[in-house]
Amino acid sequence: GQSLEQPSEVTAVEGAIVQINCTYQTSGFYGLSWYQQHDGGAPTFLSYNALDGLEETGRFSSFLSRSDSYGYLLLQELQMKDSASYFCAVKAGNNRKLIWGLGTSLAVNP
Amino acid sequence: DAGVIQSPRHEVTEMGQEVTLRCKPISGHDYLFWYRQTMMRGLELLIYFNNNVPIDDSGMPEDRFSAKMPNASFSTLKIQPSEPRDSAVYFCASSFGVRPTEGTGELFFGEGSRLTVL
Repeated sequence: GQSLEQPSEVTAVEGAIVQINCTYQTSGFYGLSWYQQHDGGAPTFLSYNALDGLEETGRFSSFLSRSDSYGYLLLQELQMKDSASYFCAVKAGNNRKLIWGLGTSLAVNP
Repeated sequence: DAGVIQSPRHEVTEMGQEVTLRCKPISGHDYLFWYRQTMMRGLELLIYFNNNVPIDDSGMPEDRFSAKMPNASFSTLKIQPSEPRDSAVYFCASSFGVRPTEGTGELFFGEGSRLTVL
């Protein structure tokens, strides 16, 4: 079957750095996306990696290793507003169905 | 653009009643997706459309669920009859389609419709 695994919860303090890992097992692979969701609101797109390496967007970076079927989202200089759920999702196959992880709940404490 | 618009934002109904959720995708997007989110199962894709045509409805849980997209700017998800286990947040999302090797495939989600079936 196809699956993604990510930790269910992560806790960190303001100003710290946190890494949220995602491992995947899929038939075919085009790329790995990350989405952020606050309190059950609309998930919003953060990043996409199709090739190996690190993509940086401000305080957030995303990494992919296709050979290891692994990626991570790195959040730096954490702020309270970063408290949210973070989902990894794989674009695989020729259809439009993203395969989603169950999400990681990040709590940023003062 | 106003983004993906969903209504109602909240719906409380009694078991057996019909529920209709509505979605207006972003203008110009040719893909529309209906998702359901629960704590236990996360985000589940129910059905998606391309150019108003249903492409894959394998995620629709059972015949009580139906979805339509009569035109490029409107879609509905209907549950009839509703059951307590249908309680969830239902999201509509849209995207602009390119080949899988091109672009990010970014989905634009609405704020969701929170359904409670008593």
